[in-house]
Amino acid sequence: AQSVTQPDIHITVSEGASLELRCNYSYGATPYLFWYVQSPGQGLQLLLKYFSGDTLVQGIKGFEAEFKRSQSSFNLRKPSVHWSDAAEYFCAVGAPHTGGGNKLTFGTGTQLKVEL
Amino acid sequence: DTAVSQTPKYLVTQMGNDKSIKCEQNLGHDTMYWYKQDSKKFLKIMFSYNNKELIINETVPNRFSPKSPDKAHLNLHINSLELGDSAVYFCASSPGRTDTQYFGPGTRLTVL
Repeated sequence: AQSVTQPDIHITVSEGASLELRCNYSYGATPYLFWYVQSPGQGLQLLLKYFSGDTLVQGIKGFEAEFKRSQSSFNLRKPSVHWSDAAEYFCAVGAPHTGGGNKLTFGTGTQLKVEL
Repeated sequence: DTAVSQTPKYLVTQMGNDKSIKCEQNLGHDTMYWYKQDSKKFLKIMFSYNNKELIINETVPNRFSPKSPDKAHLNLHINSLELGDSAVYFCASSPGRTDTQYFGPGTRLTVL
């Protein structure tokens, strides 16, 4: 069964500083990996995804993530954080289902706080 | 245009009651899902339907019954509500087996 670990429960960064959120996954085949962001009281918005190909993927809002198979990692990065980036970030691995669709397994999330 | 919508947004009810949450997607996707987010913000899949057929049914109490009247709708009915059912329930949809899931805004259920 697949699993996702986000080791950092809380992270605080200053506005303008760089950011890296860690994600490690466990999955038996080629993983489909996602980063979602959840602002307070809101739903989940997709930041970026990795299915195959280039291991460095670009997403919305200036975020990027790098897939490293040897380390089973898919860390999220942003060179300069904005105050509006404060939110909860979820890493997820998707397992295609034979009946259609795919089953997302989420990490426990990392809460990002941005200091002005 | 809202891609995945849920009603109601908030639901407050007493223990033992029965309630339903509705979900609609206008993206033309074949697959829809229900997830539960608990008080610690942990998200876990509950059910998935593909073309109105139940394909994923996680370990969820029988009091929870999903229904998909058509590809665009997936409802969640909960019988005999318990305190532990208090959570945010998210609906999502995806075009296919390996595609991105798009989430609705969530329904916050509070059982008193």
